[in-house]
Amino acid sequence: EDQVTQSPEALRLQEGESSSLNCSYTVSGLRGLFWYRQDPGKGPEFLFTLYSAGEEKEKERLKATLTKKESFLHITAPKPEDSATYLCAVQASFMFSGGYNKLIFGAGTRLAVHP
Amino acid sequence: DTGVSQDPRHKITKRGQNVTFRCDPISEHNRLYWYRQTLGQGPEFLTYFQNEAQLEKSRLLSDRFSAERPKGSFSTLEIQRTEQGDSAMYLCASSLVSPGISTDTQYFGPGTRLTVL
Repeated sequence: EDQVTQSPEALRLQEGESSSLNCSYTVSGLRGLFWYRQDPGKGPEFLFTLYSAGEEKEKERLKATLTKKESFLHITAPKPEDSATYLCAVQASFMFSGGYNKLIFGAGTRLAVHP
Repeated sequence: DTGVSQDPRHKITKRGQNVTFRCDPISEHNRLYWYRQTLGQGPEFLTYFQNEAQLEKSRLLSDRFSAERPKGSFSTLEIQRTEQGDSAMYLCASSLVSPGISTDTQYFGPGTRLTVL
């Protein structure tokens, strides 16, 4: 069964204290791994898509990496405005739909960055 | 604003009532998805459309739930005879898929928060 597990569930950092969030996955025929940011009461905001092991993408203080079994979201020198829930999702291919469909999400990591 | 929009943003209803939510996708997007998210969990897939065709439905989508996307534009999600367990955030997402594009990045709307009393 396709599954995504994120750790830790919650993370508290001091401003400037770098850390990493983990996303472990099992999926048949991975088409893509996605990272989203979600603020309270809002919809997920797209951050990155990764397609193959070894791929890396960066955006401001965030860097996402991918291996065959997991992905990491590295946060360098975080600021209080980085506080949010970070969601990881995988997309598997299904032949009958033409190859792409639903996202399977993890439960997220709630990040709090304190000044 | 050209993002995904959802209406209403909040809905409070009594158990047994019917509710309908609307989603307007990004204008050129041909795929539209519905997800449900409960507190402390990630979104769970409910159903999706390619243009006006409903291509997949989750087992979570009981017979009290129905979704439509007439003319391949906006979509509606209706819940009949609501139950307290239906209380959740209902999220809509859209994407653009075409033969020359291998990605299926989904962009989410702000969601509709449903509370069933």
